[in-house]
Amino acid sequence: QKEVEQNSGPLSVPEGAIASLNCTYSDRGSQSFFWYRQYSGKSPELIMFIYSNGDKEDGRFTAQLNKASQYVSLLIRDSQPSDSATYLCAGGRLNRDDKIIFGKGTRLHILP
Amino acid sequence: GAGVSQSPRYKVAKRGQDVALRCDPISGHVSLFWYQQALGQGPEFLTYFQNEAQLDKSGLPSDRFFAERPEGSVSTLKIQRTQQEDSAVYLCASSPGPRDTGELFFGEGSRLTVL
Repeated sequence: QKEVEQNSGPLSVPEGAIASLNCTYSDRGSQSFFWYRQYSGKSPELIMFIYSNGDKEDGRFTAQLNKASQYVSLLIRDSQPSDSATYLCAGGRLNRDDKIIFGKGTRLHILP
Repeated sequence: GAGVSQSPRYKVAKRGQDVALRCDPISGHVSLFWYQQALGQGPEFLTYFQNEAQLDKSGLPSDRFFAERPEGSVSTLKIQRTQQEDSAVYLCASSPGPRDTGELFFGEGSRLTVL
């Protein structure tokens, strides 16, 4: 059974600080990993994807992947109240006919 | 429209009724996924199509759930004899294909309430 695990939170972070979100996965065959943001009552939207070990930066967001530890993280710098949402970690097999598995999500609350 | 379209957005059913949820993916997208999202939970995989072929239906909770995509575009998720535990948001997502980045484009979802 392929699983993606996340701490459900809520994670409370002061405005302007760094928010750190973590995720582990069970399937060593997973090659592609995604972070989606979901506002209450809305659908998930992609923030970042990462395939290679190491860091990937996009604006205030940095995704980190460690395949040996089966660990994925998302850092949000200079957190804003608009970052308050549920963050979903997901994994799958790139270039394969396979499903994308989601974690249960971490609720992030940015304190003004 | 340019995005994934789902209908109905809201559906209230009495226990035992059959329901059908429709998904119209982004034009040209090969892959189509259905997920079930209960309140406060992440999306749970139900089934996956590549064109008209249903490649994985391992997430369908029971034989009351059935999905099809007969012409490789619009898909329908059918739930027979609905039960209260079927109450959830049903999300449809599409992607260009298995050799793309893997990004899923989600519709707004169909919220099913079974009384």
